Amino acid sequence: DSGVTQTPKHLITATGQRVTLRCSPRSGDLSVYWYQQSLDQGLQFLIQYYNGEERAKGNILERFSAQQFPDLHSELNLSSLELGDSALYFCASSAGQLYNEQFFGPGTRLTVL
Amino acid sequence: GENVEQHPSTLSVQEGDSAVIKCTYSDSASNYFPWYKQELGKRPQLIIDIRSNVGEKKDQRIAVTLNKTAKHFSLHITETQPEDSAVYFCAAFYNTNAGKSTFGDGTTLTVKP
Repeated sequence: DSGVTQTPKHLITATGQRVTLRCSPRSGDLSVYWYQQSLDQGLQFLIQYYNGEERAKGNILERFSAQQFPDLHSELNLSSLELGDSALYFCASSAGQLYNEQFFGPGTRLTVL
Repeated sequence: GENVEQHPSTLSVQEGDSAVIKCTYSDSASNYFPWYKQELGKRPQLIIDIRSNVGEKKDQRIAVTLNKTAKHFSLHITETQPEDSAVYFCAAFYNTNAGKSTFGDGTTLTVKP
């Protein structure tokens, strides 16, 4: 157990819908990262937050947004869902902004039908 | 942006043999290179990392080497065991101020007993 929690574990929804994925970092970690892992593929970096502020952005679609709250938990919002958005979404946390070990959560498996 | 190529995509070795996985990156500003192990259905876990000011790092049976001039880094696993079987991902972090990263597509390592 990495100490990073993600909810829900599984999510099944329809095209065009909107969902929210939630992540709680390890106690004391200030950075939260979001990744997308499509079937049999590597991890795509989406976005990073550090202590409530956006710090880095990857190839995150405009339909996706995220935020980190004062208690440091983070939410990833996915809207106007398409079939291709079906994937495993991982959240990771680290103590600092960079050069710190990232601890991954168990992931949320999103299925868009 | 950064491009990370990982080879081979699959690797099968006999127990006790060594395994080597290589990654090349394109952005010379990349400065942090972690390796992750992901077992089927589980979260990625950091197994070793290296920073750009270091050429080699070892941790028991695992080592990573970095050649900044050639822009490649390699994972070496010696005395492989069946429990080493997993997908291994390399990553390159660039941007000195934040955690933006690009991951390789992964190598599926199978260690035959």
